[in-house]
Amino acid sequence: DIQMTQSPSSLSASIGDRVTITCRASQNITRYLNWYQQQPQKAPKLLIYGASSLQSGVPSRFSGSGSGTDFTLTITSLQPEDFATYYCQQGYNTLLFTFGPGTIVDVK
Amino acid sequence: QVLLQESGPGLVKPSGTLSLTCVVSGGSMSSKNWWSWVRQSPGKGLEWIGETYHSGSTNYNPSLKSRVTISVDLPKNQFSLKLASVTAADTAVYYCARVVVVASINWFDPWGQGILVTVSS
Repeated sequence: DIQMTQSPSSLSASIGDRVTITCRASQNITRYLNWYQQQPQKAPKLLIYGASSLQSGVPSRFSGSGSGTDFTLTITSLQPEDFATYYCQQGYNTLLFTFGPGTIVDVK
Repeated sequence: QVLLQESGPGLVKPSGTLSLTCVVSGGSMSSKNWWSWVRQSPGKGLEWIGETYHSGSTNYNPSLKSRVTISVDLPKNQFSLKLASVTAADTAVYYCARVVVVASINWFDPWGQGILVTVSS
């Protein structure tokens, strides 16, 4: 299995802050890494696919970077609707997709 | 715009079989996509259960493989999940999702709204 870890597990931020979330894979997954946002009681929503491609309709303040084992999701100017939980997911091993444990972004 | 909607019993008895259906609207399941089930235990992260293709091919999470069956019903444009011998550990919100594949990159989009299934007597 490819294990995914995320850091931090939670963070507190204010509106307008720059937020960075890190995801690490247990082996090289090239750029097969996706990011999702989950609001409470809602389904996850795709933000970034292929490590850095922004899903249609997602605000440009979201960006992704990285390759190999280390990846980053950045929110350049946090908005009220961005307080949520963020998950990374590897799409490299297509016989066993795995997700990171999530990062909670809450209000400072 | 493709939409997915889960349905099924919200309560299943221990040792019973969990059965859910996902109806796909706004697009055909015969397209070049896989169709997946993902679950999320209360307060926990996301766990991929398995997937099916319109041909009937399937892939399952090895940790659940002995208990899982995912099948497709093309005329009804829906796919189903059966999970046998359930225990309280199977209590979760179950999501169905389309697996999009572009240039060998796989991602889940869109997702259904999710359905909470509780295992309890």
